[in-house]
Amino acid sequence: DAGVIQSPRHEVTEMGQEVTLRCKPISGHNSLFWYRQTMMRGLELLIYFNNNVPIDDSGMPEDRFSAKMPNASFSTLKIQPSEPRDSAVYFCASSLAGTSGRDFFGQGTRLTVV
Amino acid sequence: KQEVTQIPAALSVPEGENLVLNCSFTDSAIYNLQWFRQDPGKGLTSLLLIQSSQREQTSGRLNASLDKSSGRSTLYIAASQPGDSATYLCAVRGNTDKLIFGTGTRLQVFP
Repeated sequence: DAGVIQSPRHEVTEMGQEVTLRCKPISGHNSLFWYRQTMMRGLELLIYFNNNVPIDDSGMPEDRFSAKMPNASFSTLKIQPSEPRDSAVYFCASSLAGTSGRDFFGQGTRLTVV
Repeated sequence: KQEVTQIPAALSVPEGENLVLNCSFTDSAIYNLQWFRQDPGKGLTSLLLIQSSQREQTSGRLNASLDKSSGRSTLYIAASQPGDSATYLCAVRGNTDKLIFGTGTRLQVFP
């Protein structure tokens, strides 16, 4: 397996534009997590899915953020409209829930909103 | 609310030293604990996972211990090498499947 795949790796956008981040989890994993990492706040969990169903979205900053998981092999995180304070590295991770499995992270998407 | 703390925040040592990184958590009702490594500009890599019923796990020069009752874990790195330079994060998982991360220890091993 190629691991967790995120795209794009880098995104530079203007304030007010819509941004869509993509994630392909490891095949067979049934939990998917979206995180945001900044120097100030460290690693924060935004939302996680289990069997494609959102379980906890309490970390989503505000209504400008939304996430979907239409099937077991694909998830998106959308920011609309984007703001400079959204600039961060966004990670996707997957694992096999209910077992003792480890979490596998993608390489991240570095988002810069100017 | 679970809180995870890591000490020290940064560490710089000469090659060959044995190291201990510390992690503490406030709620002992955890499912497991993981130690991750993050290289600059990269994602996180899970190094070791310790189940709540276990006391320690070993992988090569790495050994992680867990004392759930006192809310502590340590990561021991034997014979450190420059290639071990990275940020090390610990994370605990409770029964909600969420991982709660510490703020990390930035390690630099110089030749």
